[in-house]
Amino acid sequence: NAGVTQTPKFRVLKTGQSMTLLCAQDMNHEYMYWYRQDPGMGLRLIHYSVGEGTTAKGEVPDGYNVSRLKKQNFLLGLESAAPSQTSVYFCASRRGQGPNQPQHFGDGTRLSIL
Amino acid sequence: EDQVTQSPEALRLQEGESSSLNCSYTVSGLRGLFWYRQDPGKGPEFLFTLYSAGEEKEKERLKATLTKKESFLHITAPKPEDSATYLCAVRPGDDKIIFGKGTRLHILP
Repeated sequence: NAGVTQTPKFRVLKTGQSMTLLCAQDMNHEYMYWYRQDPGMGLRLIHYSVGEGTTAKGEVPDGYNVSRLKKQNFLLGLESAAPSQTSVYFCASRRGQGPNQPQHFGDGTRLSIL
Repeated sequence: EDQVTQSPEALRLQEGESSSLNCSYTVSGLRGLFWYRQDPGKGPEFLFTLYSAGEEKEKERLKATLTKKESFLHITAPKPEDSATYLCAVRPGDDKIIFGKGTRLHILP
């Protein structure tokens, strides 16, 4: 019963390096989200997708790109990592139908940018 | 602007000491209010969805209530294993979900 799986769980990057975070869900959910969580700031939405092939900007999209080529996967890319992007990144998915469907979260990717 | 504010930021209780956490919100058209529990090193875990003012949901020692401006998470006779960060989130009239900053709850044995 995997639910939402995030890889990798930990990563350390140097400033300027690029990387991709992978989120996979096995619940056939339409909606997927990427958040970052920083101390004192709560969860902030980076990008989200309402279905395969769609993406939209959230609250803090700058410096990130996303792709949703397959319904079950949502990728978050950092093209040129900066120390300000040090954070814990959470992916979530939600069934599309119904106004009050909750999000289901993965356990996060802890990313440090040196 | 859609906004969610949780209080207090942190709360320490003795085991068995009941209390309430508050989530106040201002959104354009509420389409759901959610409570989550988050343990250290883990992702948020869904607890409740509330949709209409006056609605209540219960799960073990937790009860969530909703009014037109705020929600309360009541914790009755808490145990140390209830220690966690509790997050409130709202869904306004679009596809986004907005989170509060959470309340860190610590139950002392």
